[in-house]
Amino acid sequence: DTGVSQDPRHKITKRGQNVTFRCDPISEHNRLYWYRQTLGQGPEFLTYFQNEAQLEKSRLLSDRFSAERPKGSFSTLEIQRTEQGDSAMYLCASSLAGLGRVNQPQHFGDGTRLSIL
Amino acid sequence: KQEVTQIPAALSVPEGENLVLNCSFTDSAIYNLQWFRQDPGKGLTSLLLIQSSQREQTSGRLNASLDKSSGRSTLYIAASQPGDSATYLCAAWTGHGGSQGNLIFGKGTKLSVKP
Repeated sequence: DTGVSQDPRHKITKRGQNVTFRCDPISEHNRLYWYRQTLGQGPEFLTYFQNEAQLEKSRLLSDRFSAERPKGSFSTLEIQRTEQGDSAMYLCASSLAGLGRVNQPQHFGDGTRLSIL
Repeated sequence: KQEVTQIPAALSVPEGENLVLNCSFTDSAIYNLQWFRQDPGKGLTSLLLIQSSQREQTSGRLNASLDKSSGRSTLYIAASQPGDSATYLCAAWTGHGGSQGNLIFGKGTKLSVKP
């Protein structure tokens, strides 16, 4: 059974560099979500896709952040010109689409921990 | 704006004790509420999902309840074990204005079960 897979697990980079993370969702899941979590806080929603369409973006997703899901399968999250404040755990989740107000549970990967030097 | 609060922030109990974790939310117009467990340095493991039309869900030693009118949910853990030690997060799924919604998380309760 393959759950949500994220790569890399850890990324250390210098301020100003660009970084890209990858998420492979559970294969039959058509929804994919990105969250950011800092120490001692709960995850904060960044964006989500249904198939290849990016349907919602949080105001936390500044213009330095871009996410793609080109074929409706894996997704990438890129951060350009990284800043100290970008240091966090970046979590990916996937789910099946619900019907109306009935939602399906989100299943999370182990995250990518980003450290900006 | 939906805000989710979890009390207490940390809890330490002896093995075998029954315990309750609390979660409150400010906007009762939620679609559902989901409880997660997070181990240090790991992602989140889904425990229970309660749809807005439901009052509770049970899985093994876990029981979660939802009272939308009062903006509260509780996670009850029976006969706690050291392996239950983790941070427990609740998240309310809120959608407005045609949005499909997203999860709004609390900061979690860090549980330690002592042998």
